[in-house]
Amino acid sequence: SAVISQKPSRDICQRGTSLTIQCQVDSQVTMMFWYRQQPGQSLTLIATANQGSEATYESGFVIDKFPISRPNLTFSTLTVSNMSPEDSSIYLCSVVSPMNTEAFFGQGTRLTVV
Amino acid sequence: GQQVMQIPQYQHVQEGEDFTTYCNSSTTLSNIQWYKQRPGGHPVFLIQLVKSGEVKKQKRLTFQFGEAKKNSSLHITATQTTDVGTYFCAVGSGYALNFGKGTSLLVTP
Repeated sequence: SAVISQKPSRDICQRGTSLTIQCQVDSQVTMMFWYRQQPGQSLTLIATANQGSEATYESGFVIDKFPISRPNLTFSTLTVSNMSPEDSSIYLCSVVSPMNTEAFFGQGTRLTVV
Repeated sequence: GQQVMQIPQYQHVQEGEDFTTYCNSSTTLSNIQWYKQRPGGHPVFLIQLVKSGEVKKQKRLTFQFGEAKKNSSLHITATQTTDVGTYFCAVGSGYALNFGKGTSLLVTP
């Protein structure tokens, strides 16, 4: 199993500002994933973060809005830029087991934009 | 990537009643996973199904994968208040996952 430490756990931010979310894994992993979960909704993949290359973004998500860093095999950050109230969501980082049989999630960051 | 439809969206049961959630796909799935998310928590892996017609049990939870590998179900026998949460099915898209919309289970004592 993998243990993922994600922070902050929650934040209230002013519109127009940016927030960087950090995700630390207790083992080296090739890929890390960032998901968004809007209130009462399912999880939607934002991007896949690979070490040493640019993140791969899903349709509807762009690098200017959600820049991602992946400086090494155990760490990644997601920045939510120029926030608006519509960005209020839970953001989750995730990794998969080596055999790709299950996914592990961080505790999530509950973001409220006011 | 592969998509799944999940029903029902909500289910409210009395403690002791059974509960079932269903996931359906228009395409054949290589595998399907199930997760539980408690209120305020993050998704936690329950199980992965791979084989056609597979049935797996975890105590009061029974997971099934259809013969055509296009549908799956999670059945909870005699629900308890600890079963409260949202149950998601998920299918792989590469190494990332596409999640169903989830079924939120509320159990009244």
